[in-house]
Amino acid sequence: DAGITQSPRHKVTETGTPVTLRCHQTENHRYMYWYRQDPGHGLRLIHYSYGVKDTDKGEVSDGYSVSRSKTEDFLLTLESATSSQTSVYFCAISESLAVRNTEAFFGQGTRLTVV
Amino acid sequence: AQKITQTQPGMFVQEKEAVTLDCTYDTSDQSYGLFWYKQPSSGEMIFLIYQGSYDEQNATEGRYSLNFQKARKSANLVISASQLGDSAMYFCAMRAYSGAGSYQLTFGKGTKLSVIP
Repeated sequence: DAGITQSPRHKVTETGTPVTLRCHQTENHRYMYWYRQDPGHGLRLIHYSYGVKDTDKGEVSDGYSVSRSKTEDFLLTLESATSSQTSVYFCAISESLAVRNTEAFFGQGTRLTVV
Repeated sequence: AQKITQTQPGMFVQEKEAVTLDCTYDTSDQSYGLFWYKQPSSGEMIFLIYQGSYDEQNATEGRYSLNFQKARKSANLVISASQLGDSAMYFCAMRAYSGAGSYQLTFGKGTKLSVIP
C-alpha cells in the first residue's frame, strides 16, 4: 500500500473557526491533491500541488487554502469553516501523471463536520 | 476544461452477469488518461484500470475491461461475472494537462452498483 496518511480522520468543529487537515506521504511523489466528496457530486478537486511550493486551484477552491513546504506534507486549511464545508476530504498522491499508467493513491479520508 | 460524465447514478446487476458502467469525457487535449476507481462502503478508493488516449487496444485487468471509443469520447467499464463484493461506488476519472507543466485528475459523480444474489 502507498504510504499516505491523513490526519485527523474525524473532526467536529464550530462555524467560523479555522481548520487544518494534513496529508503526509512517504512515497516522495510529486503530485498531491485534495478532494472533497459529497453525495451526488462525486469527488471534486479543491487544490493540488505539483511540487514543493507549487500549487494550483481546483474547481471548488473558494474558502480553502493549501501549503506545501516539503515534499511529504500537503496541508489544507479552511480559513473560516462553514456548514457547507461539512464533507469527507480525500488526499491523493501520484508520482507523475505525465507518465503513462500512473494511478493516484488515496488516503483513508477525513470526515469533517462543521456545526 | 476537462469534464467527466457518468449518467447512471445507480445500477443493479444479477450475480454472475456482466454489467457496463458508462463514462463519457470531454477534453481538448490529445494526450490524456482514463481511470476507473472503486469505492466500497468502507470508503477507501481502489484503482481498477487505466486506458491511455494513444492505446490502440482496450485495457483489461482480470474481470474488468475498459471499452474505449475515442471518437465518441467514451470509456465504459465492463465488469464480467459480477460478484457480491462488486457492490460499490464506481468513479471514472481523467488525467489531462492543465498548464504550467501540471496535470489534473478530474472525477465523475460516480455510479452506485448493487449486485443482487
